[in-house]
Amino acid sequence: DSGVTQTPKHLITATGQRVTLRCSPRSGDLSVYWYQQSLDQGLQFLIQYYNGEERAKGNILERFSAQQFPDLHSELNLSSLELGDSALYFCASSDHNGTGTFEAFFGQGTRLTVV
Amino acid sequence: GDSVTQMEGPVTLSEEAFLTINCTYTATGYPSLFWYVQYPGEGLQLLLKATKADDKGSNKGFEATYRKETTSFHLEKGSVQVSDSAVYFCALSVPVSTGNQFYFGTGTSLTVIP
Repeated sequence: DSGVTQTPKHLITATGQRVTLRCSPRSGDLSVYWYQQSLDQGLQFLIQYYNGEERAKGNILERFSAQQFPDLHSELNLSSLELGDSALYFCASSDHNGTGTFEAFFGQGTRLTVV
Repeated sequence: GDSVTQMEGPVTLSEEAFLTINCTYTATGYPSLFWYVQYPGEGLQLLLKATKADDKGSNKGFEATYRKETTSFHLEKGSVQVSDSAVYFCALSVPVSTGNQFYFGTGTSLTVIP
């Protein structure tokens, strides 16, 4: 168990809809990262938050947005969904407050299917 | 910029064969290096890590040595098992005051056949 919790585990929705994915990082970790993994593809970095502030952006579509709340949990919002958005979405956390960590800890992912 | 390049897959080996998955990196600072493993239907798990040059990370029979002179972090295992079938990702992190930045390779799929 990595200590990173993602909900829901599975999500099936129709094209054009909007969904919210949730991530609770490991206790004490300040950074949250979101990744997209499509079938037979590697990890695509979407966005990073550090202690509530956006710190880095990757290949995130304008239809997608994220935020990190004061309790450090994060949400990834996907809107106007298209069939091509079907993928596994992973959250990871790092940067433990106080001890310092160099590695990222991953959640089990949310499998999104757009029909 | 910082990046990781790892061996293309897929790789298919017989049980008890020797495994090497190559990984090289480009980084301007002093990165930490990692190998992650992803079993089917699961998230990525840290397999091993090395935080400075010449460090050797090891876990579950897998090893990798942080080679600054060749900017490499190749993953090796002397005798693979069917249960090692998974996707392996090489990664580096660069510590920044505003949060670690991570760079992942494209992943190498390994299938071990009995």
